[in-house]
Amino acid sequence: KAGVTQTPRYLIKTRGQQVTLSCSPISGHRSVSWYQQTPGQGLQFLFEYFSETQRNKGNFPGRFSGRQFSNSRSEMNVSTLELGDSALYLCASTWDPSGGEQYFGPGTRLTVT
Amino acid sequence: AQSVTQPDIHITVSEGASLELRCNYSYGATPYLFWYVQSPGQGLQLLLKYFSGDTLVQGIKGFEAEFKRSQSSFNLRKPSVHWSDAAEYFCAVDLSGAGSYQLTFGKGTKLSVIP
Repeated sequence: KAGVTQTPRYLIKTRGQQVTLSCSPISGHRSVSWYQQTPGQGLQFLFEYFSETQRNKGNFPGRFSGRQFSNSRSEMNVSTLELGDSALYLCASTWDPSGGEQYFGPGTRLTVT
Repeated sequence: AQSVTQPDIHITVSEGASLELRCNYSYGATPYLFWYVQSPGQGLQLLLKYFSGDTLVQGIKGFEAEFKRSQSSFNLRKPSVHWSDAAEYFCAVDLSGAGSYQLTFGKGTKLSVIP
């Protein structure tokens, strides 16, 4: 089975712009989660989707949003980018709708200048 | 609020030496527990997990971890470290049983291996 894929792998944006990141989960996995990783804050949960519904959201401003499609692929969007949004954004998927082990993609490295 | 503590930011061991990475969590019930490893510029790879049952769990790459309820700990061990084990290790808890559907991570322990 193919693993979790994320596109693009690297992205450079300017402050004020918006960005959309994509995640394709492992085939058969219907839960997709997003995490932000920075040197200062570590790994922080952004949100989780299951069957196109957001079930949980982390403590991030409304500029961060996401969605999930009927094929379980997910996108996250960050509007009005700030320098502090520079991070590695990781997507994870799981087959278990009640939680459990998550499988991570390689991440998208976002740099905001 | 639940939290995960990895008290060691950086550990250096010699190749062939044993390794123990510490992890403590703060939560009223027993959550699902995980250890992940991350090589530079890469995503996270699952090493092992604990859901219930036997408190000593085996993982990939020769790693094992022991869950101790009385100490709220889930320490990762390896009897003999290889140079390729150099990476950053993250302990995580999953409170999905309580309806949170998210992983809470520790800050990570960076492992350096001396040849």
